[in-house]
Amino acid sequence: DQQVKQNSPSLSVQEGRISILNCDYTNSMFDYFLWYKKYPAEGPTFLISISSIKDKNEDGRFTVFLNKSAKHLSLHIVPSQPGDSAVYFCAASDNAGNNRKLIWGLGTSLAVNP
Amino acid sequence: DTGVSQDPRHKITKRGQNVTFRCDPISEHNRLYWYRQTLGQGPEFLTYFQNEAQLEKSRLLSDRFSAERPKGSFSTLEIQRTEQGDSAMYLCASSLNRGRTNEQFFGPGTRLTVL
Repeated sequence: DQQVKQNSPSLSVQEGRISILNCDYTNSMFDYFLWYKKYPAEGPTFLISISSIKDKNEDGRFTVFLNKSAKHLSLHIVPSQPGDSAVYFCAASDNAGNNRKLIWGLGTSLAVNP
Repeated sequence: DTGVSQDPRHKITKRGQNVTFRCDPISEHNRLYWYRQTLGQGPEFLTYFQNEAQLEKSRLLSDRFSAERPKGSFSTLEIQRTEQGDSAMYLCASSLNRGRTNEQFFGPGTRLTVL
């Protein structure tokens, strides 16, 4: 059972426009959410995170929005650049067992076209 | 470079052989995680260390898998009697224990191919 869902396997955006990547979760115990970017043959790179006590966190071109009632979060990239082309993973954690392991979605492949 | 490092980057082995991977975390990080990722999937949690103590193992980690973190520094993941289904990218991550926040930083991964 997929507790973190990224329902769009791929997204194509024009350079300079906004990219919006979506993520849904089912476990109400999740209290921390993270976005990672991954290039082929490399490990995931941390982008931005948000605690469940907030509804927005911004870092440069990247903003994450959290809607707890809908169990939904999104990553906005503005403006999108060709170098942003990668697979983006949404991940979540709770404090069960105090281990903070990450539960991951399947990823969304973003292509930013020049 | 003070990031997470993993060795080797690639490993090709024959079915039935044993393999061992190494992870060197960011030096001040007390938490270390191993994940496995197959094509088209997100990473899946395998095991977790806080300092030298292995505190959780996923049911994905069969008895052919063993992980250690002696002295709370580097970690090794060994797979005995490898099977073709073990072929995957093995990812190591480290983090600081800071309560709710837990940004995990990943190494480049070890790509295992079992023939």
